[in-house]
Amino acid sequence: DIQMTQSPASLSASLGETVSIECLASEDIYNNLAWYQQKPGKSPQLLIYYASSLQDGVPSRFSGSGSGTQYSLKINSLESEDAATYFCLQDSEYPPTFGAGTKLELK
Amino acid sequence: QVTLKESGPGILQPSQTLSLTCTFSGFSLSTYGMGVGWIRQPSGKGLEWLANIWWDDDKYYNPSLKNRLTISKDTSNNQAFLKITNVDTADTATYYCARMFRAYYFDYWGQGVMVTVSS
Repeated sequence: DIQMTQSPASLSASLGETVSIECLASEDIYNNLAWYQQKPGKSPQLLIYYASSLQDGVPSRFSGSGSGTQYSLKINSLESEDAATYFCLQDSEYPPTFGAGTKLELK
Repeated sequence: QVTLKESGPGILQPSQTLSLTCTFSGFSLSTYGMGVGWIRQPSGKGLEWLANIWWDDDKYYNPSLKNRLTISKDTSNNQAFLKITNVDTADTATYYCARMFRAYYFDYWGQGVMVTVSS
């Protein structure tokens, strides 16, 4: 199985700041990486697919980048609604595997 | 508008079989490239993929649980199903179903159903 190592586990930032979350795959996943946002008590919502494609309806302050084994999610100009847990998912090969998550807290 | 909704027993006892239903609308599992997957999340923890089923009835299972899982679909009634045999407390989680379309990532998710295994 491909292991996804996500960092940091938690993050605290202020409104208006820019933050980045990283996912490192145990092998090349050829940009087959998605990012999700999950708020407490809610299901995950797709933000980014194919490493850098923005899902319809997702604000442009979210962006994804990376290649090979290293990928990142960047959130510009943090807003209060961005407080959530973020997960990456590799869908390059079965079984699909998720990162452990990053909990983003707004100061 | 794509929607999915999971249903299940709520509580069951160790060694029983868990049966979950995903009822969806806004798409058809007979459409080329369409798929539904099941993912679970223990409270306060991460996500674990369980199984996928595709429009052509192709099925994939998480190897760590494969012998206990059965995924199926009823295309005419827009439903997908997951059975997990011989449950124990480690199967306590919120179970989600989610759609895939011409891709292997999940673009729409249900609200989730909480399942507790307890004696």
